[in-house]
Amino acid sequence: DTEVTQTPKHLVMGMTNKKSLKCEQHMGHRAMYWYKQKAKKPPELMFVYSYEKLSINESVPSRFSPECPNSSLLNLHLHALQPEDSALYLCASSQPGLAGGHTSTDTQYFGPGTRLTVL
Amino acid sequence: SQQGEEDPQALSIQEGENATMNCSYKTSINNLQWYRQNSGRGLVHLILIRSNEREKHSGRLRVTLDTSKKSSSLLITASRAADTASYFCATAPTGGFKTIFGAGTRLFVKA
Repeated sequence: DTEVTQTPKHLVMGMTNKKSLKCEQHMGHRAMYWYKQKAKKPPELMFVYSYEKLSINESVPSRFSPECPNSSLLNLHLHALQPEDSALYLCASSQPGLAGGHTSTDTQYFGPGTRLTVL
Repeated sequence: SQQGEEDPQALSIQEGENATMNCSYKTSINNLQWYRQNSGRGLVHLILIRSNEREKHSGRLRVTLDTSKKSSSLLITASRAADTASYFCATAPTGGFKTIFGAGTRLFVKA
């Protein structure tokens, strides 16, 4: 199974709502990522989990809260979002290097994304 | 600023023609990857080229890497309408821990 799945595919939420995005992979990868992508822009890294521990947080606002309950699952909890947070949220996974870090030798496998609209 | 910059930003060609996209980066890297993204979808890994390699082929794809110029190119030969997508280069600086994507090239192949 070389697939990364994401749910939901689309999400519309108000600024006072609390919602969660989910990501799952069964490739045995121990590194998982959240990216945010605005229209016609490249993906921007938000968070990296390595062996279920948060290893990179790219100064993301606290209204985004990641969680990695186990090696196959990655969640992104959303609360009090702003309209400018509307974007495509992509999850990816990879096999970390021997040292546990993430180098560009790590091919990332992406999910199809969740299209988020904040009203 | 972004590690990778790509040109052209957009490219429109006829089916059967070749498409060439370029990527430049700023710091030393271990290797460079190319990804494809269909509209509004996830990215698909195409090819990885290591810093000690100069050229690599995969099917209709040919990637070159010039570390002295800090640049790479992706050539798609005999393009098809299904190749219509955005193409991104991705690098991780030596000693760094995150992948940085270039701005991307939007390719449109007309049938």
